[in-house]
Amino acid sequence: DTGVSQDPRHKITKRGQNVTFRCDPISEHNRLYWYRQTLGQGPEFLTYFQNEAQLEKSRLLSNRFSAERPKGSFSTLEIQRTEQGDSAMYLCASRSNQGDTDTQYFGPGTRLTVL
Amino acid sequence: AQSVTQLGSHVSVSEGALVLLRCNYSSSVPPYLFWYVQYPNQGLQLLLKYTSAATLVKGINGFEAEFKKSETSFHLTKPSAHMSDAAEYFCAVSRGSGNTGKLIFGQGTTLQVKP
Repeated sequence: DTGVSQDPRHKITKRGQNVTFRCDPISEHNRLYWYRQTLGQGPEFLTYFQNEAQLEKSRLLSNRFSAERPKGSFSTLEIQRTEQGDSAMYLCASRSNQGDTDTQYFGPGTRLTVL
Repeated sequence: AQSVTQLGSHVSVSEGALVLLRCNYSSSVPPYLFWYVQYPNQGLQLLLKYTSAATLVKGINGFEAEFKKSETSFHLTKPSAHMSDAAEYFCAVSRGSGNTGKLIFGQGTTLQVKP
């Protein structure tokens, strides 16, 4: 396994712009999570996919946020009309439905800075 | 609802001293409990987990934690701190793999190791 990868690692944008992040989970992991981590805080759950189905969304996920996992493999998280309060680390994690089914494996994160 | 409280946002120990990081949880169902470590500008790495088997759990890098239901605690310990242990540590709770498995994190504890 090559681990969970995220792209880009860093993104600086101006307020009002749209941004999109990508997450590639560990191959054959059918469960995928997005979390947001602000400075000095623990990660907060945003959304969960099982295969291509988005099964849970946090109330933190405003209508400016949208996530997809079109073929049940990689996922994208888009933020429209970014605000300074969106500045955070966005973490992706994946989990298997076979073997070790309890552990979420995290990617390195995408750090977003909104100017 | 589930929640996690980590007592002490900063803990400082001398190299070779005992490490004790405190975590208390609240859960209306039998919890799954996790400790993750995060190094600067990196994702989270699993240290250890409790999933209703043995109450004393051993993890990587010499860390261990004990699940105490009566105290709703899952404190992390290491007998002898090493300089490389300096990092951010997060305790997390979930409802188990049968549910979405989303993690609820505490606010984190920064461990400083002095030479």
